Amino acid sequence: DAGITQSPRHKVTETGTPVTLRCHQTENHRYMYWYRQDPGHGLRLIHYSYGVKDTDKGEVSDGYSVSRSKTEDFLLTLESATSSQTSVYFCAISNPTGGYNEQFFGPGTRLTVL
Amino acid sequence: DAKTTQPPSMDCAEGRAANLPCNHSTISGNEYVYWYRQIHSQGPQYIIHGLKNNETNEMASLIITEDRKSSTLILPHATLRDTAVYYCIVQAGGYNKLIFGAGTRLAVHP
Repeated sequence: DAGITQSPRHKVTETGTPVTLRCHQTENHRYMYWYRQDPGHGLRLIHYSYGVKDTDKGEVSDGYSVSRSKTEDFLLTLESATSSQTSVYFCAISNPTGGYNEQFFGPGTRLTVL
Repeated sequence: DAKTTQPPSMDCAEGRAANLPCNHSTISGNEYVYWYRQIHSQGPQYIIHGLKNNETNEMASLIITEDRKSSTLILPHATLRDTAVYYCIVQAGGYNKLIFGAGTRLAVHP
């Protein structure tokens, strides 16, 4: 299994509080991604990074920010958590080569916003 | 990115081959076919990918039709641990998002 860890694995917080989720990899992969998964919606991309300090938005980026100061760490921040951000968050990594891009996923973080 | 169509659910007896179909009739010449699966509440797991030729690895085989408009993922000897949601995804050789649809929920029973 790819060396990807996410922390925390579970978190309960209150509306309006800031929350930061961490994704850490030991594979030295260039690309890192944050997805959220909700019932009936499958996985949806929030933000991704294609290198240190290089990030871009995904399809559901509103209310989220990211940072990548080191190759191995990709942080997802909810500046002011809302109940609609209750979800399971997955981090993924990849090192695209030869025109294709297989992604490896972390174990997920279950976030509940009350 | 091309869209895919998969049956919502399938059953398979343990030890038998599981054949999961996927239609991608609008696939472009530079788009790959990827298969992932997600076992209950775990992160998705990459299985296999292909462009034109059939592919096989230790987990599964991928059969792509000559016109590339459909493909089949084959788990040759399904076990109970293969019970999962299987996602077929087509994507150009870019480096960003995977579009996950609803997938096929495969139930392997004794």
